Amino acid sequence: AQSVTQLDSQVPVFEEAPVELRCNYSSSVSVYLFWYVQYPNQGLQLLLKYLSGSTLVKGINGFEAEFNKSQTSFHLRKPSVHISDTAEYFCAVIFTGGGNKLTFGTGTQLKVEL
Amino acid sequence: DAMVIQNPRYQVTQFGKPVTLSCSQTLNHNVMYWYQQKSSQAPKLLFHYYDKDFNNEADTPDNFQSRRPNTSFCFLDIRSPGLGDAAMYLCATSRGSSGKYEQYFGPGTRLTVT
Repeated sequence: AQSVTQLDSQVPVFEEAPVELRCNYSSSVSVYLFWYVQYPNQGLQLLLKYLSGSTLVKGINGFEAEFNKSQTSFHLRKPSVHISDTAEYFCAVIFTGGGNKLTFGTGTQLKVEL
Repeated sequence: DAMVIQNPRYQVTQFGKPVTLSCSQTLNHNVMYWYQQKSSQAPKLLFHYYDKDFNNEADTPDNFQSRRPNTSFCFLDIRSPGLGDAAMYLCATSRGSSGKYEQYFGPGTRLTVT
């Protein structure tokens, strides 16, 4: 079965600390991988994506993610978070052969504290 | 700036009273999507248009309909809203239907059903 899992529903972190948000997927076909951020009462904004090539992907706002095929993971990282990073983060996957349908994980609420 | 616009941002309707949400785009993208996002949940694809071709997700209730009169506009019609239809409705667009094409999201319309 094809699925996307974000095990951490909430991640609290202090400002300027590093953070990692985890994403795992299950698939028998190749995938395209995405991380989106959603601020309260806003739409989704693309942080970064992996389509092919280098497994380390850099995105906006200082975020990066690494595709690990053997572990079927695409964890999002930032070396030093800011208060303004407080938001909901969604990992999403397109399973090839399924058109352009995004399958989202359940989201991780990142709360950055002073 | 090219963008995806949703109106209104907040919509209140009564139980059973038809409601229409609108989405417009200045990106000239071929594909337009409607997602439903309930509180603290991931977005769920309802349907999408590739040009004028309508693609309904198998589990989208018949109560939800859509129209795309031209490239720029797409509407979501809820024929008889129930309390369970209260959610954020997100419109998105992409240049093509391949998974390589990024989806651009609008700010969403939050629907309240009283």
